[in-house]
Amino acid sequence: GQNIDQPTEMTATEGAIVQINCTYQTSGFNGLFWYQQHAGEAPTFLSYNVLDGLEEKGRFSSFLSRSKGYSYLLLKELQMKDSASYLCAVTDSWGKFQFGAGTQVVVTP
Amino acid sequence: GAVVSQHPSWVICKSGTSVKIECRSLDFQATTMFWYRQFPKQSLMLMATSNEGSKATYEQGVEKDKFLINHASLTLSTLTVTSAHPEDSSFYICSARGMSGRNEQFFGPGTRLTVL
Repeated sequence: GQNIDQPTEMTATEGAIVQINCTYQTSGFNGLFWYQQHAGEAPTFLSYNVLDGLEEKGRFSSFLSRSKGYSYLLLKELQMKDSASYLCAVTDSWGKFQFGAGTQVVVTP
Repeated sequence: GAVVSQHPSWVICKSGTSVKIECRSLDFQATTMFWYRQFPKQSLMLMATSNEGSKATYEQGVEKDKFLINHASLTLSTLTVTSAHPEDSSFYICSARGMSGRNEQFFGPGTRLTVL
């Protein structure tokens, strides 16, 4: 099985940086995804990590340490539209996703 | 590319009726689709894995006779909620697995089901 933990909520001001941590325990790891989900909408893909290290894509970066079962999503230069839930998802060798409960990020002016 | 659609986007029905939700991959073929359910302020919970041409694989605790899944073609999977009850009210999201080697899933826009 897989257990995925991430904080429930984080608040930050516009223009700031926020780091969302995700820890996982899995019996078969085949990659970690980060998704953004606005209320009432489907998740949209942000990043994918399968090897250790940092993946950078514009204002968003994601880091993975497989030995520690740890990942983080870094959001830089926060904008109001970044207020959303951020989901950490681990995939196994069968391609099944296990989602964390999501971290609600609130961006304030 | 990799667009997944769902229909309907929302539905309200009476208790005891059945509701069918369609999930289509618009510009790619998907041998595997997934059905999730999401309650308010909770994460996505995988209900079942739908494989084209074969029976769906249901997660523990999901009643296969209540949530009927049919994956008759490489671009269409349907979920039928039979004899719906208010506790089935939820946000149902499908996804389709892409063809890349990283098992990425592309999500549909979701269907909001409200059972009165």
